[in-house]
Amino acid sequence: QKEVEQDPGPLSVPEGAIVSLNCTYSNSAFQYFMWYRQYSRKGPELLMYTYSSGNKEDGRFTAQVDKSSKYISLFIRDSQPSDSATYLCAMSATRNYGQNFVFGPGTRLSVLP
Amino acid sequence: DGGITQSPKYLFRKEGQNVTLSCEQNLNHDAMYWYRQDPGQGLRLIYYSQIVNDFQKGDIAEGYSVSREKKESFPLTVTSAQKNPTAFYLCASSRWATNQPQHFGDGTRLSIL
Repeated sequence: QKEVEQDPGPLSVPEGAIVSLNCTYSNSAFQYFMWYRQYSRKGPELLMYTYSSGNKEDGRFTAQVDKSSKYISLFIRDSQPSDSATYLCAMSATRNYGQNFVFGPGTRLSVLP
Repeated sequence: DGGITQSPKYLFRKEGQNVTLSCEQNLNHDAMYWYRQDPGQGLRLIYYSQIVNDFQKGDIAEGYSVSREKKESFPLTVTSAQKNPTAFYLCASSRWATNQPQHFGDGTRLSIL
C-alpha cells in the first residue's frame, strides 16, 4: 500500500460545479497537510496548508482534514476553466523537515466551459 | 519578484553524457531540494541541502550528483550512470525549520536522444 493515494483522474466537470479532490494516507503520524496546484509543464504552486483536523477556507477553496479516517479533501466552489490542472496533496509528521514530506501522485482536473 | 528559476526548460541527453540542470532561488531560503516527477507517481526526492557546502541523499540519489557552493544555487547533474533519466525534474526551496512548505520552480523536462 502506498503511503499517500489519490485518484489519478482525469476528473472532468462543467464550469460552475463544486469539485471534491481527495487523498487517503496510511501514516497516522501525519499532522500537516498541503495542497498544491500544478499546471501543465509548470511547477507545483502551494494552495492550502493546514494543521491537524478541521476545515480551512481561502476564497473558493476549502481544505478539510479527517484524521480519524486518514482522509483529506480539497473542495473548489464555482469551478472555472482556469482551475484545470493537476492537484497534488502533500503531508508531513510533526517536527519533520522538508526531506520527509510525502507527496501524492496527483489528480488531473478538467473544468469544461 | 522572489522565486525559483530552473533552466533549461527542456533538455536532451545523449547516451553516455552527463547533463546539468540549473536551479537558482532568491527567496533567501536555507534549504533546497531536487525531486523527480514521473507519471502516476508522487514526487520522489533525489537530493536535498539544508546549508551551503552540505547536502544529503534522498530516496533515489543513484546516478545523480549535486553541489551547493552558494546559498542561491543548487545544480543537479544527471550522470550517465542514471539509466532511466527521462522525467520532469523539480527544484524546491524552503526555510530550514520543521514543517515548512516547499516552493517549487517550473521544472526541467529531460529526454533521451
